[in-house]
Amino acid sequence: AQSVAQPEDQVNVAEGNPLTVKCTYSVSGNPYLFWYVQYPNRGLQFLLKYITGDNLVKGSYGFEAEFNKSQTSFHLKKPSALVSDSALYFCAVRENTGGFKTIFGAGTRLFVKA
Amino acid sequence: ETGVTQTPRHLVMGMTNKKSLKCEQHLGHNAMYWYKQSAKKPLELMFVYNFKEQTENNSVPSRFSPECPNSSHLFLHLHTLQPEDSALYLCASSQDKGSVYGYTFGSGTRLTVV
Repeated sequence: AQSVAQPEDQVNVAEGNPLTVKCTYSVSGNPYLFWYVQYPNRGLQFLLKYITGDNLVKGSYGFEAEFNKSQTSFHLKKPSALVSDSALYFCAVRENTGGFKTIFGAGTRLFVKA
Repeated sequence: ETGVTQTPRHLVMGMTNKKSLKCEQHLGHNAMYWYKQSAKKPLELMFVYNFKEQTENNSVPSRFSPECPNSSHLFLHLHTLQPEDSALYLCASSQDKGSVYGYTFGSGTRLTVV
């Protein structure tokens, strides 16, 4: 069965420092991987996706993510954090056969301190 | 606005009430989803509709009843709910169930069962 793990409930980083939000997954076959962000009182917003090709994927607001097949990871990164990046981040994996179900992680709260 | 509109934004209901949540999208998408978001838990997929046909019922209790009259509208009918059903209910849409382009989410309905 497919699953997604976000091992950190919260990540704290100072403004201007690089940030990493971790995600590992389990899925049969080749995964489709996604990151979403949720600001207070809002729904989830799509940030970026990995389907195939280059392992480093670039997305919105300067975020990028690195797909590592051997470690089954898809960590979200940004070279220089902004206070406005503070939000809840969700990793998701979709099976690409059969039901095409998308499974989300529990979310990681990112807090960027000025 | 994301293009997916959910109403109401907030709902307080008693355990004996009947209410409905509404979701509307005019993005031309053919797949629509209901997710339940509870604090510190992964998003729970509840129902999936693809071209107005229900393709997934993720073992959801019968006190939740979905309805999809057309590809643009999705309802979640609620009756005799329990306090543990209090959560943020998110609607999402995608081009179709197999789309690789990710989901567009609404802002959610915050449901409190008293």
